[in-house]
Amino acid sequence: EAGVAQSPRYKIIEKRQSVAFWCNPISGHATLYWYQQILGQGPKLLIQFQNNGVVDDSQLPKDRFSAERLKGVDSTLKIQPAKLEDSAVYLCASSFPSRIYEQYFGPGTRLTVT
Amino acid sequence: ILNVEQSPQSLHVQEGDSTNFTCSFPSSNFYALHWYRWETAKSPEALFVMTLNGDEKKKGRISATLNTKEGYSYLYIKGSQPEDSATYLCAFRKELTGGGNKLTFGTGTQLKVEL
Repeated sequence: EAGVAQSPRYKIIEKRQSVAFWCNPISGHATLYWYQQILGQGPKLLIQFQNNGVVDDSQLPKDRFSAERLKGVDSTLKIQPAKLEDSAVYLCASSFPSRIYEQYFGPGTRLTVT
Repeated sequence: ILNVEQSPQSLHVQEGDSTNFTCSFPSSNFYALHWYRWETAKSPEALFVMTLNGDEKKKGRISATLNTKEGYSYLYIKGSQPEDSATYLCAFRKELTGGGNKLTFGTGTQLKVEL
């Protein structure tokens, strides 16, 4: 079974630039999550999708972050414009809606904003 | 804001040592407690999910216990090996009023096992 795929794995941008991350969940997983993990902190949920609908985006900084999952499969997370404090690892995870305990993570995208 | 705290922040042990870490979480609205292992440049991997007070889980040399009444969980590694070097994350799943639940991660314990 293929795991959760994310790209790119690493990205370095200057502040005020834009960046996008891509995630392809495990086949059949209707629930998709984006987390932000800043160095020294635990992963923080940014947004949760069920198919192509948003379940929870209460911690997404909507003035600069956006995410979509148009066809209910893969997803993109965008930051526009980036700030220094956005430097973090962005993790994507997926699960079956009925099996929330089994959340599978991708390897993450490490973003450095200079 | 939920406080999920892990200690110590980092740990260096020698190969063969046994070690343990602590995860503290709120004792109210408990739904589940997760442990993950995250090696550098890899995906976080689920180790255990615990739901009942007094739960004990074991996977090879790694085991975990749960006390929901006092709000803590311990993760034990017996006979540490270099391949155990990773960040160990706990995550508290809180039951929400009105249904559903929410996962909050601790900051992790970074373990380094040296030869």
